Amino acid sequence: GNSVTQMEGPVTLSEEAFLTINCTYTATGYPSLFWYVQYPGEGLQLLLKATKADDKGSNKGFEATYRKETTSFHLEKGSVQVSDSAVYFCALSEGFASGGSYIPTFGRGTSLIVHP
Amino acid sequence: SAVISQKPSRDICQRGTSLTIQCQVDSQVTMMFWYRQQPGQSLTLIATANQGSEATYESGFVIDKFPISRPNLTFSTLTVSNMSPEDSSIYLCSVPAGQGVNYGYTFGSGTRLTVV
Repeated sequence: GNSVTQMEGPVTLSEEAFLTINCTYTATGYPSLFWYVQYPGEGLQLLLKATKADDKGSNKGFEATYRKETTSFHLEKGSVQVSDSAVYFCALSEGFASGGSYIPTFGRGTSLIVHP
Repeated sequence: SAVISQKPSRDICQRGTSLTIQCQVDSQVTMMFWYRQQPGQSLTLIATANQGSEATYESGFVIDKFPISRPNLTFSTLTVSNMSPEDSSIYLCSVPAGQGVNYGYTFGSGTRLTVV
């Protein structure tokens, strides 16, 4: 079956530091890959996505590149802010020919804490 | 993409009682998903709710404990029945953000349930 593995948290950084959160996946086919962010007290929000190999998703200064050869989708940001403190979830979705639901598979989430 | 209104946002309940969580979507969607997020954990899919048919429950979740209603294409409820402290979690509803696997998912803001 499909699975997503994320680096354990929490990740603690100072403001303006470089961020990497690792994510690797296993899938039976060619999934679409996502990063979601969950700010304290809120639901999940889609942060960025990539739908095929070598695609780069980007949003709010965050980037992730779909690497099929390494089955990875690492999240990066060049300069984090205190407001980036949240839990980040890597996820994949794979379509099925039966037209069934595209139920995503989530990683366990990585907490990011950014200090001033 | 769709906007979901989920309520209540939080509740503290006595063991043995039941709580019904509501999700209202601002557009018609075929599939709605209900998740549980235990403290510090990833999302676990409880069930998929399709309008006009019985919900499909994942392994480990049963209809008697988590009855779901889906009376129309914009609304669903999840009831947590006969609650125990182990049911303390965040409960989230979700819908596809578009037609197809590439669009990701939109989430409600979550219901933070504490059972005492």
